[in-house]
Amino acid sequence: GAGVSQSPSNKVTEKGKDVELRCDPISGHTALYWYRQSLGQGLEFLIYFQGNSAPDKSGLPSDRFSAERTGGSVSTLTIQRTQQEDSAVYLCASSSGLAGRVTQYFGPGTRLTVL
Amino acid sequence: GNSVTQMEGPVTLSEEAFLTINCTYTATGYPSLFWYVQYPGEGLQLLLKATKADDKGSNKGFEATYRKETTSFHLEKGSVQVSDSAVYFCALTPYNQGGKLIFGQGTELSVKP
Repeated sequence: GAGVSQSPSNKVTEKGKDVELRCDPISGHTALYWYRQSLGQGLEFLIYFQGNSAPDKSGLPSDRFSAERTGGSVSTLTIQRTQQEDSAVYLCASSSGLAGRVTQYFGPGTRLTVL
Repeated sequence: GNSVTQMEGPVTLSEEAFLTINCTYTATGYPSLFWYVQYPGEGLQLLLKATKADDKGSNKGFEATYRKETTSFHLEKGSVQVSDSAVYFCALTPYNQGGKLIFGQGTELSVKP
């Protein structure tokens, strides 16, 4: 089957605009994770979902960031009033369970550039 | 807290050289340990993993052993190829925290012919 897909692959926006990033996990995967990869901060965990609920949002950098998941499948990460420091590659991953030993499969990422 | 520290890159080797990338971790409980690789222009993919002390993960000629006594998970390969040029990330999932990955800063490897 298909892997994790993300859209758009690239997004350029102006400071202060809102953006939505989409993730389609592998079919049947119950766990979904968002990470951010930036030059200054490396790879950081943002949030994860089990089904449609988000037990751990501890990595979201500010209240401008939010995420939801519907139907236990597609997830959207929304960044409001974007700032230049939000520029990064946003990665989504999914897995068949929450146990730490379960492999996460990553999507290709969305490169966000805030001008 | 939970953290991962990797040796800094870039690392430049000649083809067929021996590779070691050091990784140490801090974690409470019993984490699982991973090496992920990011080839140029590609997404992040799992290279190998170990889920308990003394386990050895291996794949594509790479190996790493989960050493609890030294809190380490060093990546090794006996003979690198040009195609191994990539960025390598050591990571852990803390025990009972939903499987979220905590990554090291990454080590860029460049293999010259």
